[in-house]
Amino acid sequence: GAVVSQHPSWVICKSGTSVKIECRSLDFQATTMFWYRQFPKQSLMLMATSNEGSKATYEQGVEKDKFLINHASLTLSTLTVTSAHPEDSSFYICSARGQGSAGELFFGEGSRLTVL
Amino acid sequence: TQLLEQSPQFLSIQEGENLTVYCNSSSVFSSLQWYRQEPGEGPVLLVTVVTGGEVKKLKRLTFQFGDARKDSSLHITAAQPGDTGLYLCAGGHPNFGNEKLTFGTGTRLTIIP
Repeated sequence: GAVVSQHPSWVICKSGTSVKIECRSLDFQATTMFWYRQFPKQSLMLMATSNEGSKATYEQGVEKDKFLINHASLTLSTLTVTSAHPEDSSFYICSARGQGSAGELFFGEGSRLTVL
Repeated sequence: TQLLEQSPQFLSIQEGENLTVYCNSSSVFSSLQWYRQEPGEGPVLLVTVVTGGEVKKLKRLTFQFGDARKDSSLHITAAQPGDTGLYLCAGGHPNFGNEKLTFGTGTRLTIIP
């Protein structure tokens, strides 16, 4: 099946710094990617929809200036957590829609962010 | 806001037993997907059901979509330790499909050897 890869797998940063997480579709082009957030022992919450060549669409309650999304190519979307704080610590997961498979979503391995 | 409640939230059973996980909502979904997630990894799609009343089987796993497309169940027969994981149902938005996936609250399954 299609492969979606995230980098880094985990990152630890100091409060106030910015962190960039990459989401790549390795063997297919994805015009649309999705970013989710998952707290420990909880389910996934959709944060935003990333559209290649246009602005991301954010879900209600998600600060777009806090979570910057860039989808500059058909295989790469990035999520930047700006001025990170401990409450931003979470597991961030991306997904991309596969082609020719009735819209099946393929998920990345996730990126665990810990803000000290 | 569409909500998907899964039950039970936690389940720990002996190897060889059968189990059923439920995914319920008051909203209608265009499709219902089931995922399994291992610790520190992203979810992996198990199945997608689209038609009300649809039943799909994947080896020892049986998935059913409710007639009204508001609920679903996952039944596992003769559970094995490899079935351990977090099971998530996810509903496709009636108008946006997979563009707006609503994930269930999750069921953490532990199979004891």
